[in-house]
Amino acid sequence: DVKVTQSSRYLVKRTGEKVFLECVQDMDHENMFWYRQDPGLGLRLIYFSYDVKMKEKGDIPEGYSVSREKKERFSLILESASTNQTSMYLCASRPQGRGLDYGYTFGSGTRLTVV
Amino acid sequence: GDSVTQMEGPVTLSEEACLTINCTYTATGYPSLFWYVQYPGEGLQLLLKATKADDKGSNKGFEATYRKETTSFHLEKGSVQVSDSAVYFCALSDRAGGFKTIFGAGTRLFVKA
Repeated sequence: DVKVTQSSRYLVKRTGEKVFLECVQDMDHENMFWYRQDPGLGLRLIYFSYDVKMKEKGDIPEGYSVSREKKERFSLILESASTNQTSMYLCASRPQGRGLDYGYTFGSGTRLTVV
Repeated sequence: GDSVTQMEGPVTLSEEACLTINCTYTATGYPSLFWYVQYPGEGLQLLLKATKADDKGSNKGFEATYRKETTSFHLEKGSVQVSDSAVYFCALSDRAGGFKTIFGAGTRLFVKA
């Protein structure tokens, strides 16, 4: 069964810490995405990557960066965590080419609390 | 730009009732349409999809038909179960829109025994 694995289900970090959220997929997908999900705001795209070492800003990239050194791994970095980054973070992947027809495969999410 | 509008929730139904969650969209090109489901504490799962006009997607008793003339993709199920309680998201991917998928706000469904 195809999988997207996020390294942590729950994470508590302090304000100002540098935070790494890891996402690994085993489907050889080219495209990977990071979203955050907040009540009343739905899913908002932070960053995406359409191939190794490629990255593109989404709708809300401020305060975040990403790294894609290997095809299977896409990391989201909070450079200096703040309380307004408390959220559910969702990673997703999708194949290139006809991937628009396949839809996303999502990870289980990481619920991050910044105190 | 592209957008997805779905009915606000929560929707509360009794077990075995019929379900319809409305979804309409605007798109510049010819989008693929999707329904995702999110169970409590989990990520989203792809429920069904349709990639061209008049296609019907179906899975687990849920159905949705891609209606280009009304720009709609309503989710239906004839008899819901308690285990269907979740949040449902309508979404589109438009070739003209590049790599991004646009999600609706989500509709929460509660099914009572």
